[in-house]
Amino acid sequence: SQQGEEDPQALSIQEGENATMNCSYKTSINNLQWYRQNSGRGLVHLILIRSNEREKHSGRLRVTLDTSKKSSSLLITASRAADTASYFCATDEGGSNYKLTFGKGTLLTVNP
Amino acid sequence: GAGVSQTPSNKVTEKGKYVELRCDPISGHTALYWYRQSLGQGPEFLIYFQGTGAADDSGLPNDRFFAVRPEGSVSTLKIQRTERGDSAVYLCASSLWGNNSPLHFGNGTRLTVT
Repeated sequence: SQQGEEDPQALSIQEGENATMNCSYKTSINNLQWYRQNSGRGLVHLILIRSNEREKHSGRLRVTLDTSKKSSSLLITASRAADTASYFCATDEGGSNYKLTFGKGTLLTVNP
Repeated sequence: GAGVSQTPSNKVTEKGKYVELRCDPISGHTALYWYRQSLGQGPEFLIYFQGTGAADDSGLPNDRFFAVRPEGSVSTLKIQRTERGDSAVYLCASSLWGNNSPLHFGNGTRLTVT
């Protein structure tokens, strides 16, 4: 089963623009993670935000979490062509301390 | 340092055959996971090992699927009597421990059942 649902499914922007992706989930969580996947490769961990946090930054990434709405957003600022990839949110479904449930992902294309 | 290594990277097999997919996790990582990813979907959980034991195999689709990790390091995912619906990318990941530490993924094995 897939808990996280990303929105939009696909996003195309120009280099230098900001990209925002959203994720909604269904059950209570301890934390939410975002991963990136380049075509034909494995997933790479980007950032983890805990349920008691509202916002977190890492370089050009900004993640927000609204547990009342069961939603999160990932903002990539000043995008680069190298940011082109699929982005997935993952939650610890039902508070599991090991099992991550991934959404279907957002395919981001950054045009040079 | 070396990341998670999966072999083979591609496997084509005929329906009904047996396949083994191998995963070499990052050295020192006690937790190991198998996920399956179909085209256009996110990874779906199959099984979780903590050390040598399968702590949770609730994601394995049926009894044709089995995974082992005999020495707490390398793991093998075994699929018997393969079916066309088994075609997918099988991803292995490891982490220092469970407890929601970030997962480090391999590049996956793309399995095609003809």
